[in-house]
Amino acid sequence: AQSVTQPDARVTVSEGASLQLRCKYSYSGTPYLFWYVQYPRQGLQLLLKYYSGDPVVQGVNGFEAEFSKSNSSFHLRKASVHWSDSAVYFCALSARLSGSFNKLTFGAGTRLAVCP
Amino acid sequence: GALVYQYPRRTICKSGTSMRMECQAVGFQATSVAWYRQSPQKTFELIALSTVNSAIKYEQNFTQEKFPISHPNLSFSSMTVLNAYLEDRGLYLCGASGDYEQYFGPGTRLTVL
Repeated sequence: AQSVTQPDARVTVSEGASLQLRCKYSYSGTPYLFWYVQYPRQGLQLLLKYYSGDPVVQGVNGFEAEFSKSNSSFHLRKASVHWSDSAVYFCALSARLSGSFNKLTFGAGTRLAVCP
Repeated sequence: GALVYQYPRRTICKSGTSMRMECQAVGFQATSVAWYRQSPQKTFELIALSTVNSAIKYEQNFTQEKFPISHPNLSFSSMTVLNAYLEDRGLYLCGASGDYEQYFGPGTRLTVL
């Protein structure tokens, strides 16, 4: 079985401050990992993904995430947040199947509020 | 580029009626299509996974009798919510996969009166 835990339901930061959103996963193998963002009343947008190689992956809008197999984590970071980053962020995991993946397991989401 | 469209974007139906939603992949071949539901204030739950030339696999708590899915070709899938009730409201996302990435549509938001 696989699972994703986002321990922080809500995070509030000031504009310009740095950000870290935590994600822990449980999976017996090495997973595919993703961060998605959901803006109000919208679907999901992919921020970044990790398949293999360099554990630090760069995404859109200045986001990056670091994969740690020893800690079973995939934390999302941003050096300086903007008010427009206010949204709900979902960490997701997919099992590595033979040459493809399809089923995503999502965390509960972290609601980010950026204060001016 | 790869895009996924979903129709309709929003729909309202009366309790006990059914509604059909569609998912179209453009720019890639959707060998797999996953349907997810996000209930109010919750995360995304996988309803079922449809892979071309394989049987559709439903997750626990979701059944074909309630959520019949069609995946007739590599660019289209549809799902119907039969006998919709209040607990079926939410955002339904289609995730279409080619090789190594799943692309999401904007979702169909279902309101049940």
